[in-house]
Amino acid sequence: QVQLVQSGTEVKKPGASVKVSCKASGYTFTNYAMLWVCQAPGQRLEWMGWINTGNGNTKYSQKFQGRVTITRDTSASTVYMELSSLRSEDTAVYYCARVSSGWLPYYWGQGTLVSVSS
Amino acid sequence: QSVLTQPPSASGTPGQRVTISCSGSSSNIGTNTVNWYQQLPGTAPKLLIYSNNQRPSGVPDRFSGSKSGTSASLAISGLQSEDEADYYCAAWDDSLNGPVFGGGTRLTVL
Repeated sequence: QVQLVQSGTEVKKPGASVKVSCKASGYTFTNYAMLWVCQAPGQRLEWMGWINTGNGNTKYSQKFQGRVTITRDTSASTVYMELSSLRSEDTAVYYCARVSSGWLPYYWGQGTLVSVSS
Repeated sequence: QSVLTQPPSASGTPGQRVTISCSGSSSNIGTNTVNWYQQLPGTAPKLLIYSNNQRPSGVPDRFSGSKSGTSASLAISGLQSEDEADYYCAAWDDSLNGPVFGGGTRLTVL
């Protein structure tokens, strides 16, 4: 069965960077793109970017452009999301999600809480 | 950033039928398919409906989806207490070249 397992909770200070991993299993990794979606407390889900796991091409949301980098390691079936210049407003749960028809999330990781506080 | 519009709350009694609406535009719902997700407190979203009206295996047929023009709807019949959750719609947006989500609807089972 498809599983997406993310790395654990992170606590960071403003200005720092965070790198969250998402290890996929149960399917051919390079056949499906992966999205990253964030959810601040009490807020809607928000798309951050996606990566074509086959060729590594990426597309980032305008809101996060310049601060987010999504990469993948095909040998480890793992996707990474790095967010830099963290501020308190970045405190959120970050999800990876494998797409399916319509290029929308089908399977989700369990989420990673990133807390940004001085 | 384009977003989809949902009512913030909905409610019903056990056994009732409730519907949740999702309004978008020509760049998202008007030209692309809609998914619906259920999110229980403290958990990741779970796919409920994909491609407007398809249910993944394991999702009860009490849940159904529809789309017309730039709007979509999720219907839940035979409401149960375990249906109490947040529900989100999503669609690909051609202008953003990425997905957009609704603001979520909190369903309360009275």
